[in-house]
Amino acid sequence: EPEVTQTPSHQVTQMGQEVILRCVPISNHLYFYWYRQILGQKVEFLVSFYNNEISEKSEIFDDQFSVERPDGSNFTLKIRSTKLEDSAMYFCASSDVSGSGISPLHFGNGTRLTVT
Amino acid sequence: DAKTTQPTSMDCAEGRAANLPCNHSTISGNEYVYWYRQIHSQGPQYIIHGLKNNETNEMASLIITEDRKSSTLILPHATLRDTAVYYCIVRGANFGNEKLTFGTGTRLTIIP
Repeated sequence: EPEVTQTPSHQVTQMGQEVILRCVPISNHLYFYWYRQILGQKVEFLVSFYNNEISEKSEIFDDQFSVERPDGSNFTLKIRSTKLEDSAMYFCASSDVSGSGISPLHFGNGTRLTVT
Repeated sequence: DAKTTQPTSMDCAEGRAANLPCNHSTISGNEYVYWYRQIHSQGPQYIIHGLKNNETNEMASLIITEDRKSSTLILPHATLRDTAVYYCIVRGANFGNEKLTFGTGTRLTIIP
């Protein structure tokens, strides 16, 4: 069964550094998403992306964050200058279009980002 | 998106059916009920979704009441690997309304 893959599984970075989290969505999917989960808290929506542009973003997704689909397969989340509070699991997801609208989101297993 | 209410936690004996309830009294006509689960710190896993008819797949069954104000996810023969947090989410099907909004879910523990 096709799946969403994320790399790396764990990233450690120093405060103020830039990080890029990478995702390979399911190949025929058209909608892409990033979510995050701070330890012990809810899974929170960050951004959705369709047709090479952001379709929706949350308040969390400020100017420090950006997303890109640099080629036909990867979808990346960049954090320009990491803060301690950016430490979290980051999940990528993708979905397709079905006859009844948008199909279920399928999630990767996440990248654990630790900012020191 | 309509809000959902789920019990904080539940236990179920291994081998028995696990029935997880969800209230979504403000659901609107074009909103679907989705169920996901999260095992430990893995990514959320899609289980099933439905609009108004009951649905069944290889993982679970979804029973939606006739007024659509509540639903029940049924895991027919629970195993220890079904221990997870289960999320009931109401989601519109319209373009521009694609995201899922996660609540706190139900922590289901399967007891040996």
